[in-house]
Amino acid sequence: DAKTTQPTSMDCAEGRAANLPCNHSTISGNEYVYWYRQIHSQGPQYIIHGLKNNETNEMASLIITEDRKSSTLILPHATLRDTAVYYCIVRPHLGTGNQFYFGTGTSLTVIP
Amino acid sequence: EAGVVQSPRYKIIEKKQPVAFWCNPISGHNTLYWYLQNLGQGPELLIRYENEEAVDDSQLPKDRFSAERLKGVDSTLKIQPAELGDSAVYLCASSGESGEGYEQYFGPGTRLTVT
Repeated sequence: DAKTTQPTSMDCAEGRAANLPCNHSTISGNEYVYWYRQIHSQGPQYIIHGLKNNETNEMASLIITEDRKSSTLILPHATLRDTAVYYCIVRPHLGTGNQFYFGTGTSLTVIP
Repeated sequence: EAGVVQSPRYKIIEKKQPVAFWCNPISGHNTLYWYLQNLGQGPELLIRYENEEAVDDSQLPKDRFSAERLKGVDSTLKIQPAELGDSAVYLCASSGESGEGYEQYFGPGTRLTVT
């Protein structure tokens, strides 16, 4: 069962920051927030994950609210290649037995 | 490092025919997953292997679907007989114990069309 709510679609101008929101109001204390994306005709790709602190890597930044009920994935300078479906997932961190429930995600279109 | 390899990339068959998909996970990854992805939906887990053991197959329609992972490396997913509703993308993923997150690494998928 999906535990997250995301907008169905978003647009972003090329070169601007893309901010993708995710609501996870029922998140448990041991659950992390993961983000994956899926470019057309490819398998999903891991982007970033976090527990309660903001995280940044070479692809994106993850901002998690203090109450952990929502988060935002930030692509600082969106390019056309960032056009994809972005999935926000919550799950316990340890153990491969915990499923990723992908839901339907947010379809991001980067506009030239 | 090579990623998850799947073949074939595309398959078109007539209903009631059998079909098989093959997956080679990332070297050293003990956990292997098969997912089903319908158009406009996110991937849904069919089966998860830990080495050669299927530890979660609760979502696998066992009347027509079967899977195996001999020797705990490559895996095959089979449908027999295929139905029109099986048209979808079948994704394979693998994960290992390195790092913290047990992130799953996905292959490109096999797009099945049943006519």
